[in-house]
Amino acid sequence: DIQMTQSQSSLSTSVGDRVTITCRASQNINKYLNWYQQKPGKAPKLLIYAASNLQSGVPSRFSGSGSGTDFTLTISSLQPEDFATYYCQQSYSIPFTFGGGTKVEIK
Amino acid sequence: EVQLVESGGGLVQPGGSLRLSCAASGFPLSSHGMHWVRQAPGKGLEWISYISGSGSTVFYADSVEGRFTITRDNAENSLYLQMNSLRAEETAVYYCARDRAAEGFGDNWFDPWGQGALVIVSS
Repeated sequence: DIQMTQSQSSLSTSVGDRVTITCRASQNINKYLNWYQQKPGKAPKLLIYAASNLQSGVPSRFSGSGSGTDFTLTISSLQPEDFATYYCQQSYSIPFTFGGGTKVEIK
Repeated sequence: EVQLVESGGGLVQPGGSLRLSCAASGFPLSSHGMHWVRQAPGKGLEWISYISGSGSTVFYADSVEGRFTITRDNAENSLYLQMNSLRAEETAVYYCARDRAAEGFGDNWFDPWGQGALVIVSS
């Protein structure tokens, strides 16, 4: 199975900050990496698919980059509604696996 | 509006069975593969099963293989997860999620997700 590692389990940040969340795959997954946002008590929401493609309706302050084993989700200017947990997920092979999540908290 | 609504969650004893349903609306279910993903309280996301749009291809996580069965009824626009021999550690919110395509792998993503069904396995 491919292991997905999000090294930061939590980040303390402020509104307006630029936030970078990283995700590493245990083997090459090409560009088959997706990012989801989850707020407490809610279902996950797709933000970025195939490493760098912004899902329709998602604000342009979100962006994704990377390929191979190392990937990044960037929020250019954090807004109050962005405080949430973010998960990466690989779709290169079954079983699809998620990172452990990065919780973005208010400093 | 594209929507997924899970039902069938509840309290079940260890070793017991439960069947979850996921009702799809706003799109033809046959045009999309479907997934089940679960989340234990306070924990991360765990993919557990996939079924292709036609129902001809299914996959399971090792943790549920042989105990859980995923099926679908495209005429009824519904997805199901039959869960047998449930364990206490499988207490979780179970989500259904739509795949981007009917068939195929590599470049799959989950969108949208249902609101989740809580399954509690306890005596």
